[in-house]
Amino acid sequence: AQSVSQHNHHVILSEAASLELGCNYSYGGTVNLFWYVQYPGQHLQLLLKYFSGDPLVKGIKGFEAEFIKSKFSFNLRKPSVQWSDTAEYFCAVKGWYGGATNKLIFGTGTLLAVQP
Amino acid sequence: GAVVSQHPSRVICKSGTSVKIECRSLDFQATTMFWYRQFPKQSLMLMATSNEGSKATYEQGVEKDKFLINHASLTLSTLTVTSAHPEDSSFYICSASLGAGVRETQYFGPGTRLLVL
Repeated sequence: AQSVSQHNHHVILSEAASLELGCNYSYGGTVNLFWYVQYPGQHLQLLLKYFSGDPLVKGIKGFEAEFIKSKFSFNLRKPSVQWSDTAEYFCAVKGWYGGATNKLIFGTGTLLAVQP
Repeated sequence: GAVVSQHPSRVICKSGTSVKIECRSLDFQATTMFWYRQFPKQSLMLMATSNEGSKATYEQGVEKDKFLINHASLTLSTLTVTSAHPEDSSFYICSASLGAGVRETQYFGPGTRLLVL
């Protein structure tokens, strides 16, 4: 069965610090990978997604993520965070097998607090 | 683009009553919509997959007679919590899928907070 793990539950950074949030998944087949963000009081928004091709994916607001197939990882990065990046970040994975899709599986989320 | 709305945003009801939650894709048509439940400090758990014009597919452990799903059009899916009890209090989130097959991406609504007294 698919599973997604996000190792950091809470991350506290100062503004301008670099960010890397870990995401690992377990699934042996083809995967689609997503990062969603949930700002305080708002709904889940898509940050970026990986379907195929270049494993380095650039998303909105300066975020990027790298798919490393050998490590089953899809870590989220941002070189310099801002106070407005304070939010909860969810990694999600959807597996493909035999031409059929599995459901979207979410990690438990990482709460990022950026201190001004 | 790809905006999904939910109504109501929050609802308080008495135990035993039924509550209907609407999920609409505002600027695109969605053949498939999904209903999730999110418990405090936990991730989203898929409840059911709703396909336009056909019966919903429920995840294991989700009572289909309790959580009625209707997907009557390509822009509207409804979740009805029948005979709600306090343990049904939760945050319910819908999503609508854009694209097909390997290009499918889910876009999420703002959620509905249900409190059953």
